Amino acid sequence: DAGVTQSPTHLIKTRGQQVTLRCSPKSGHDTVSWYQQALGQGPQFIFQYYEEEERQRGNFPDRFSGHQFPNYSSELNVNALLLGDSALYLCASSSQVFGTGTSGGYNEQFFGPGTRLTVL
Amino acid sequence: DQQVKQNSPSLSVQEGRISILNCDYTNSMFDYFLWYKKYPAEGPTFLISISSIKDKNEDGRFTVFLNKSAKHLSLHIVPSQPGDSAVYFCAATPAYKYIFGTGTRLKVLA
Repeated sequence: DAGVTQSPTHLIKTRGQQVTLRCSPKSGHDTVSWYQQALGQGPQFIFQYYEEEERQRGNFPDRFSGHQFPNYSSELNVNALLLGDSALYLCASSSQVFGTGTSGGYNEQFFGPGTRLTVL
Repeated sequence: DQQVKQNSPSLSVQEGRISILNCDYTNSMFDYFLWYKKYPAEGPTFLISISSIKDKNEDGRFTVFLNKSAKHLSLHIVPSQPGDSAVYFCAATPAYKYIFGTGTRLKVLA
């Protein structure tokens, strides 16, 4: 059973450029969340996609946008890159079907290995 | 505004002894708490969770305690093993999203 996969693993961009990161959820999952983890910090919630729509958004500017496809995979797009966007970007998948989690029914999120983005 | 705090950035414990990792939160509306473990170059891996209606949950060597009045939770690992060396994040969820702490790096010494 494939877990959450992300591509690419590493990426180097320059300021002002645009980047697209990709995520395939764990088999059976229909919800994808994106997080940004800066060095020395915990992951920060960017947004979540369910049924191809953004369901909730964290405190991130509109330069951060996303998309979810009919097969539940997702993309994170960042426009007009800033130096401060350098971070590990994590994708997490989960299921909206109650009882499919491993924690007594709660549907915990499963994380991918992340994409390391460096902005020069 | 850090709603979930892990005030100890690092912890060293001897193999076989107990590791205690602490986490404080500010929002009494959080209804579920989780601990994740993260190795370098990997995403966080789910470890154990607890609902806000409980005060203890145990899974093998891992036990999570929740003190709602103090808005505090802790993760106990007994006995600690060298393979437990990793960064541990606590997270709280008010639905949909997780709010993570800044992590505690645990080093278990052989």
